[in-house]
Amino acid sequence: AQSVTQPDIHITVSEGASLELRCNYSYGATPYLFWYVQSPGQGLQLLLKYFSGDTLVQGIKGFEAEFKRSQSSFNLRKPSVHWSDAAEYFCAVGARSRGNEKLTFGTGTRLTIIP
Amino acid sequence: SAVISQKPSRDICQRGTSLTIQCQVDSQVTMMFWYRQQPGQSLTLIATANQGSEATYESGFVIDKFPISRPNLTFSTLTVSNMSPEDSSIYLCSVESSGTGELFFGEGSRLTVL
Repeated sequence: AQSVTQPDIHITVSEGASLELRCNYSYGATPYLFWYVQSPGQGLQLLLKYFSGDTLVQGIKGFEAEFKRSQSSFNLRKPSVHWSDAAEYFCAVGARSRGNEKLTFGTGTRLTIIP
Repeated sequence: SAVISQKPSRDICQRGTSLTIQCQVDSQVTMMFWYRQQPGQSLTLIATANQGSEATYESGFVIDKFPISRPNLTFSTLTVSNMSPEDSSIYLCSVESSGTGELFFGEGSRLTVL
């Protein structure tokens, strides 16, 4: 069965600083990988996704992520964070089963931005 | 992209009662899912809502507790039956963007059971 580990429960960074959120997955084949963001009181919004091809993927809001098969990782990065980036971030791995798309989510990383 | 509306956005309910959550999508979609997000936790898939047939439930979730309807390709309901405080969660409706594997989420229904 697939699984996702986000080892950092809570991260605090200063506005303007760089950011890296870690994600490790377990899956028996090439996974579909996603990063979602959840602002307080909101649903989830897709930041970026990896299906195949170039291992460095660009997303919305200046985020990027790199798929590293050898490390089973899909870390999310941003060179300079903004106060509006404060939110909960979820990594997810997808698998196709019987034609359905099922996502398994990590436990999330809460990002706090300090001025 | 798909726009998903959920109702109610939040509710406070008494133990032993049932609540039905509605999910309306602005376009026809094949795949609709219901997730639960318990306080401080990640998302857990409850079931896949199938149009014209019974929902497909994940391990640990049963139809008697979480009956689901899917009368057409734009609408689904999830009922939380015989609620207890442990059912206090955010319940999220999700749809798959056809052919891309992306999931779009509603804003969720925050349920508090007293």
